[in-house]
Amino acid sequence: DTGVSQDPRHKITKRGQNVTFRCDPISEHNRLYWYRQTLGQGPEFLTYFQNEAQLEKSRLLSDRFSAERPKGSFSTLEIQRTEQGDSAMYLCASSPKGFVQYFGPGTRLTVT
Amino acid sequence: SQKIEQNSEALNIQEGKTATLTCNYTNYSPAYLQWYRQDPGRGPVFLLLIRENEKEKRKERLKVTFDTTLKQSLFHITASQPADSATYLCALGTGGFKTIFGAGTRLFVKA
Repeated sequence: DTGVSQDPRHKITKRGQNVTFRCDPISEHNRLYWYRQTLGQGPEFLTYFQNEAQLEKSRLLSDRFSAERPKGSFSTLEIQRTEQGDSAMYLCASSPKGFVQYFGPGTRLTVT
Repeated sequence: SQKIEQNSEALNIQEGKTATLTCNYTNYSPAYLQWYRQDPGRGPVFLLLIRENEKEKRKERLKVTFDTTLKQSLFHITASQPADSATYLCALGTGGFKTIFGAGTRLFVKA
């Protein structure tokens, strides 16, 4: 068990570009979460998957954000037409049944 | 509106003392409350979970209390060590799958 992994760890992009992040959860964890975290704040919920089904998406997520989890394994988070306000740490977490979440190391996005 | 409040100011304590961190919430009826530790540049790490019908939970040097009347949780680290220096996040769950995190409290333990 290697834990939750995220790729890339760092991404620098220019405003207006699209970016995609990948999350590989702990195997057999059927729940997967995406969060966004800015400096001095706690993780902010973005979306949740149970297996391949996206069961909830935060109202904070604009139409520029989309997430998928094909086949209930890895997940991707795409941000289209990035803005400077999208600069943050994007965290993925997975969970078996129960409430404890296991977080990955995060992807730090910088939009210039 | 729903709100989770943790001390925004950092907590500085001397090694060996007990650190006490506070989490207050309003307009939530959480089914459970969790505490996570986060080091700079890393993802949070789960420490303890306490359910609404539990008053206290312990794990090694850690203790969590949960008072649903006061809408407050206290997180204690006894015999604190410099390695305990980190940000500690309080997180509420309402029984579904969504977890709401507080902004965290930074703890510095001086040798």
